[in-house]
Amino acid sequence: TQLLEQSPQFLSIQEGENLTVYCNSSSVFSSLQWYRQEPGEGPVLLVTVVTGGEVKKLKRLTFQFGDARKDSSLHITAAQPGDTGLYLCAGITSGTYKYIFGTGTRLKVLA
Amino acid sequence: AAGVIQSPRHLIKEKRETATLKCYPIPRHDTVYWYQQGPGQDPQFLISFYEKMQSDKGSIPDRFSAQQFSDYHSELNMSSLELGDSALYFCASSAVGLAGAIDTQYFGPGTRLTVL
Repeated sequence: TQLLEQSPQFLSIQEGENLTVYCNSSSVFSSLQWYRQEPGEGPVLLVTVVTGGEVKKLKRLTFQFGDARKDSSLHITAAQPGDTGLYLCAGITSGTYKYIFGTGTRLKVLA
Repeated sequence: AAGVIQSPRHLIKEKRETATLKCYPIPRHDTVYWYQQGPGQDPQFLISFYEKMQSDKGSIPDRFSAQQFSDYHSELNMSSLELGDSALYFCASSAVGLAGAIDTQYFGPGTRLTVL
């Protein structure tokens, strides 16, 4: 059973557009990470959120952790071709040492 | 800053051969995770170690085994390789923080295993 559902699964947009990726679960997570992965490379950490309602900004990326710590969103403003990649959310539930990965969102930004 | 190191980066094996993948965690990280990622799929958790003891087990085949050594590096041993084992294998490391709370995972660059 996939505990973390990401949407959309695929997204192709024009440079300069805005987009939001969602990561939803019925489970409560003690922390949640967002990663970006390029083909053949390891996932690169973008952000960690731990507090319900937390909002973090990383340049044009805005991350939000839901109040109940069951969901998260990633908003990209004025997307650029360099943003192209696989975006993964991953969460860890309290009392475990295992990360659960989301289903992934494949983003392609066209110049 | 030091990152997770994996070796080799690429490996080609024949069916039924064995392979050993190595992972060197970030200094002072005491937890290591192994993941398998097939083409177009998200990483699937295989196994993890905390302080040299297995802490969790995922979808790791019985043909695979792993261990964490006293210097915290880890090795994933794969025997009787099958075509379906061809994948990217990632290692990640983290530290257990205050009150036993686990910290963020950081991933290595991966080992691409091709089984012919």
